[in-house]
Amino acid sequence: DAGITQSPRHKVTETGTPVTLRCHQTENHRYMYWYRQDPGHGLRLIHYSYGVKDTDKGEVSDGYSVSRSKTEDFLLTLESATSSQTSVYFCAIRGGQGRDEQFFGPGTRLTVL
Amino acid sequence: EDQVTQSPEALRLQEGESSSLNCSYTVSGLRGLFWYRQDPGKGPEFLFTLYSAGEEKEKERLKATLTKKESFLHITAPKPEDSATYLCAVSWGGATNKLIFGTGTLLAVQP
Repeated sequence: DAGITQSPRHKVTETGTPVTLRCHQTENHRYMYWYRQDPGHGLRLIHYSYGVKDTDKGEVSDGYSVSRSKTEDFLLTLESATSSQTSVYFCAIRGGQGRDEQFFGPGTRLTVL
Repeated sequence: EDQVTQSPEALRLQEGESSSLNCSYTVSGLRGLFWYRQDPGKGPEFLFTLYSAGEEKEKERLKATLTKKESFLHITAPKPEDSATYLCAVSWGGATNKLIFGTGTLLAVQP
């Protein structure tokens, strides 16, 4: 298994509060991704990173920001959570040595009340 | 618009009853096509990568094939432990390798 952990694994929060989700990898891989998974939509890319301090937007980036200050950590922040951001969030890393496949973490289930 | 469509949405099989799942895509500049398995409450688990029409990959009871417009995941003599959601994704965006996912096929194999 790829060495990817996500924290917290479950979180319930209130509308308007800030939330930060953490993804940690032990593989020293360059590319990291954040997705959300919702019924009927499949997995959708929020933001991705191609190196320390190098990030870019994905398909559904509104309301989210990211930071990557170390190779191993990629943080996803909801500045002011809304009920529409209730979802399961997955972090992924791209395989090293030129591999194209992505390997996923166990996910964080976020509920915004 | 770039899109990935999977069918059927759900499939129920008897143990040993072979079948195929379909993934059709419309993506300009396809880089690769990926199959994943996802169990309830877990992250997607990588199965296969396919790059060019005619390519095939096999793993145990699963075989993935690719044409210019679609991919098939063939399941031969499935067992109950093959029950899961199977996801298809295509990559684009050059070196950044962004993925577009389909909504998956929920497979249930009954003993």
